[in-house]
Amino acid sequence: NAGVTQTPKFQVLKTGQSMTLQCAQDMNHEYMSWYRQDPGMGLRLIHYSVGAGITDQGEVPNGYNVSRSTTEDFPLRLLSAAPSQTSVYFCASSSGFVRSYNEQFFGPGTRLTVL
Amino acid sequence: GIQVEQSPPDLILQEGANSTLRCNFSDSVNNLQWFHQNPWGQLINLFYIPSGTKQNGRLSATTVATERYSLLYISSSQTTDSGVYFCAVDQGAQKLVFGQGTRLTINP
Repeated sequence: NAGVTQTPKFQVLKTGQSMTLQCAQDMNHEYMSWYRQDPGMGLRLIHYSVGAGITDQGEVPNGYNVSRSTTEDFPLRLLSAAPSQTSVYFCASSSGFVRSYNEQFFGPGTRLTVL
Repeated sequence: GIQVEQSPPDLILQEGANSTLRCNFSDSVNNLQWFHQNPWGQLINLFYIPSGTKQNGRLSATTVATERYSLLYISSSQTTDSGVYFCAVDQGAQKLVFGQGTRLTINP
């Protein structure tokens, strides 16, 4: 299993540009999520999905859109990039609402710079 | 929302030393995980430990859910243990809330 994969690894955008960060998992996990990590800080939840066709907002959703058309993929879209969105983005997945065990696994991250 | 506090924020040790990292949380939780973020930025799962004690080699973790804290022990530190250690909790719905991390530096 490849686990959780993310592309691209690095990206530089100009203010106002749009782009999509890709995330895929091959563990048949129901739950997927996106976090951002700013310098010197822990991760903060942007959006999450509990299954195909179902998404919801996390702590810092403004400026980002998500959709979940398949179990495997959970792309994150920046509609109009701003310098405040310069960050490292992590995608995560877990097996779902199994209360006895729901360990989350993270991808390698995408480092995004907005000029 | 739930608050997660980690201490100490920074820790500098010599190779071979032992260390204890602490994570306090402000409410009851369904899930608690410890991660190691290596110098390349990758998040590595260390423990899934909502309660009890687990050990994995030189690392062990204990969560006392009733008292709302968790401890991560690292024994006989190696330079490869350097990095940032994060505690993260969720109260259900699997929305993890992260602490600010403990930056561990192990000098040779």
